Amino acid sequence: AQTVTQSQPEMSVQEAETVTLSCTYDTSESDYYLFWYKQPPSRQMILVIRQEAYKQQNATENRFSVNFQKAAKSFSLKISDSQLGDAAMYFCAYRIRDSGAGSYQLTFGKGTKLSVIP
Amino acid sequence: NAGVMQNPRHLVRRRGQEARLRCSPMKGHSHVYWYRQLPEEGLKFMVYLQKENIIDESGMPKERFSAEFPKEGPSILRIQQVVRGDSAAYFCASSPGISYEQYFGPGTRLTVT
Repeated sequence: AQTVTQSQPEMSVQEAETVTLSCTYDTSESDYYLFWYKQPPSRQMILVIRQEAYKQQNATENRFSVNFQKAAKSFSLKISDSQLGDAAMYFCAYRIRDSGAGSYQLTFGKGTKLSVIP
Repeated sequence: NAGVMQNPRHLVRRRGQEARLRCSPMKGHSHVYWYRQLPEEGLKFMVYLQKENIIDESGMPKERFSAEFPKEGPSILRIQQVVRGDSAAYFCASSPGISYEQYFGPGTRLTVT
């Protein structure tokens, strides 16, 4: 079974600084997707960034980038130039790419609560 | 294109009552996933449905929980005889097909008193 581990329950960062959130996962599959979702106080789940395991290049999305280390099964999220609006819970998630006739449910970590200090 | 809709946003039930949670997927989406988020936890998969079919219910509790996605109308997650441990946020996500991105609704917060 796949598992996703986020070892940092809480993190804080000064506004305009950079912060890195950690995520490790365990899977026997070779082809999968990894995601970072943001959950602000409104509880809406917002997709921040996605990484395909078959791509060696790390995904970037404006101020958000990932460090994907496939061999180490590590998938960290870097937020540059942090803004007050970045304060939220951040969830790392895994999904198999092709499960045949099965389903494509996401497996989530427990989350990291990010606070941004003005 | 409207996003995934869930209603109600908040639902309060007394122990022993039934809870019905509704999810209207995005237009053109025929695949629905339900997830549950307990306090201080990440989301946990419950069930995956396509129109009129349950594809994977491996995450559903064996008793009291059921889900459907009829040909017409929203997907329904039904919890019979609710207990305090059912208090959680329930999220629905939809996608247009297998292996596509999942788009989440705003969730329904169920409180059992």
